[in-house]
Amino acid sequence: EIVLTQSPTTMAASPGEKVTLTCLASSSVNYMYWYQQKSSASPKLLIYYTSILASGVPDRFSGSGSGTSYSLTISSMEAEDAAIYYCLQLTSTPYTFGAGTKLELK
Amino acid sequence: EVQLQESGPGLVKPSQSLSLTCSVTGYSITSNYWGWIRKFPGNKMEWMGYISYSGSTSYNPSLKSRISITRDTSKNQFFLQLNSVTTEDTATYYCARYGGSAFDYWGQGVMVTVSS
Repeated sequence: EIVLTQSPTTMAASPGEKVTLTCLASSSVNYMYWYQQKSSASPKLLIYYTSILASGVPDRFSGSGSGTSYSLTISSMEAEDAAIYYCLQLTSTPYTFGAGTKLELK
Repeated sequence: EVQLQESGPGLVKPSQSLSLTCSVTGYSITSNYWGWIRKFPGNKMEWMGYISYSGSTSYNPSLKSRISITRDTSKNQFFLQLNSVTTEDTATYYCARYGGSAFDYWGQGVMVTVSS
C-alpha cells in the first residue's frame, strides 16, 4: 500500500499570501490528485494528472511534482480557500489518501 | 449533469450489516467506474472499493472479507454492503464516479453511526 504523507498538518495564511502544500508518497506514483473539502460538503476535485486544473477551478491553484514528491500551490490566498486539502494516488490499489492539510485564514 | 445521491440508515448496531444505495442520474453506471469512499471522524479518508462498467469489482484489502459492492443497472444504482460492523466503521460514506481521470463527481455523503 502506498502511504501519502501531507505537510503541514495545519497552517494559516493571510489574504494574498502564497501557499504551498506537500504530499510525499512512500513509492513512486504516476500522478497525484488534489481535493478540497469545506466543512460538511463533499470533496471537490481541484487537480488531476498532477497539474491539470479541474473544470471551474480558479487558476490561482496549481499542481506539480513527479515520482514521490508532489505539491499544490495557491498563488494568492483568498478567504474562500480555507478548507482541508487531500492528495490521492490512483496508481495502484488500494487507492490511498493523505491525511489532509487544514488551511485556515489568518 | 451527473448527480449521485447516497441513501441508507444513519444508525447501525454493532455486528450488523451496513447497506447503502447510490442513485445516479445524468449518466449510466454501465460506463466508467463507481466507487465508495468514507471519511472518518478526525478527517481520515479511505477508498473502500469500486464496481466497473462491466460489473467487476475491486476492494480495499483492509475490508475484503466484509465488503460487497453490487449494482442494479435497470435502476442506475449501485450498492455498498459492509458486514460485521464495529464502532470503527462510524464515518461519512460517499459514492463517487471515476470518470477516467479522477473521482470527479461525488454524492453529498451520508453519515453512518455504529452504536448499540
